[in-house]
Amino acid sequence: GDSVTQMEGPVTLSEEAFLTINCTYTATGYPSLFWYVQYPGEGLQLLLKATKADDKGSNKGFEATYRKETTSFHLEKGSVQVSDSAVYFCALTQGAQKLVFGQGTRLTINP
Amino acid sequence: GAVVSQHPSWVICKSGTSVKIECRSLDFQATTMFWYRQFPKQSLMLMATSNEGSKATYEQGVEKDKFLINHASLTLSTLTVTSAHPEDSSFYICSASRLAGGSYNEQFFGPGTRLTVL
Repeated sequence: GDSVTQMEGPVTLSEEAFLTINCTYTATGYPSLFWYVQYPGEGLQLLLKATKADDKGSNKGFEATYRKETTSFHLEKGSVQVSDSAVYFCALTQGAQKLVFGQGTRLTINP
Repeated sequence: GAVVSQHPSWVICKSGTSVKIECRSLDFQATTMFWYRQFPKQSLMLMATSNEGSKATYEQGVEKDKFLINHASLTLSTLTVTSAHPEDSSFYICSASRLAGGSYNEQFFGPGTRLTVL
């Protein structure tokens, strides 16, 4: 079945560092891809999405590009802030509403 | 907008008792609600999908008699863990989706409920 694999955390960075969280997927067909973020004590929030190959999703300085050839959707940010500390989930869906999640990556940004 | 609440946020119960968790969409009508389970340091696993007024669709391996889902209205779904045992201890998360056009209906997630069974 469909699956999502994320880089294992936890990831700890200093403020203003460059961030990459790797995400690869296995799916039949052409899934839509998502990054969700879960801040401490809150529910998951959609961070960005891409629905077809070569699409780039972006939000709050984060970006991810749908790479069909490498089945990847890596999350990047050029300069992280302390407020970006959270758990990040990569996910996919195949048109139906069922989301398949990666295991999550905990990110901690130190001032 | 698009806020989803869960109640309670945490619950501790004795083995053999039943626990009900509520999921509400506060400012929109949800066409579909989902229930997930999350183990420590693991991903969210979909347990079931429910549409208002119809029976829930359970994922393979999820006991429907153990995890009762009721979706009585477009803003409320409940998950009842019946005869809970310590292995049912987990973090339960609901989400609700609404029609947004296109091929994907965005899901909005509740904050989760931590269940501990003694």
